[in-house]
Amino acid sequence: AQTVTQSQPEMSVQEAETVTLSCTYDTSESNYYLFWYKQPPSRQMILVIRQEAYKQQNATENRFSVNFQKAAKSFSLKISDSQLGDTAMYFCAVRRGNAGNMLTFGGGTRLMVKP
Amino acid sequence: EAGVTQFPSHSVIEKGQTVTLRCDPISGHDNLYWYRRVMGKEIKFLLHFVKESKQDESGMPNNRFLAERTGGTYSTLKVQPAELEDSGVYFCASSHLLGGGDQAQYFGPGTRLTVL
Repeated sequence: AQTVTQSQPEMSVQEAETVTLSCTYDTSESNYYLFWYKQPPSRQMILVIRQEAYKQQNATENRFSVNFQKAAKSFSLKISDSQLGDTAMYFCAVRRGNAGNMLTFGGGTRLMVKP
Repeated sequence: EAGVTQFPSHSVIEKGQTVTLRCDPISGHDNLYWYRRVMGKEIKFLLHFVKESKQDESGMPNNRFLAERTGGTYSTLKVQPAELEDSGVYFCASSHLLGGGDQAQYFGPGTRLTVL
């Protein structure tokens, strides 16, 4: 079984500042993938960033980057230069290796970006 | 390319009634998933279709839930009879069948179900 824990139910950050959202997970798999999804108030959930567990290099997508600590089973998301449009629920998820497997989600972190 | 669509966006029904949710995946996506988020808790997996076949239905809570994907295109999720604890947001997601393991699932906007 896989579990994902997001220890920060709510966070806030000032516009243009940097914020880090925490995620820890547990899995017995050796081959797995990690994802961060974002769900803005309009409700459509979109993929923010993904990381392959066997890759040591941290994934980066523009202002979004991860700090992947495999031994600690930690997968935090850093948002640089926060923008008002980053206000959303953020979900961390893990999936076993095969592409067709289900996602296991954390409880989510509600992020508010303040002007 | 159109995204995953779900209908209806909201549904309010009374306990004991029947509700059918629909999901249209991204064209060409053979994998289709149903998830739900109940009362602000984690998003939980319900089941997974590959084309028209149920690949994994280990997350279906009980036999009041019936999912179908006739023809391997859109999918329906029927709840009959609905109970209060079925209230929540039901998400559908889809992905390609083939390709690398880093493939992401693409989500629809969800259907918010309220059972009174």
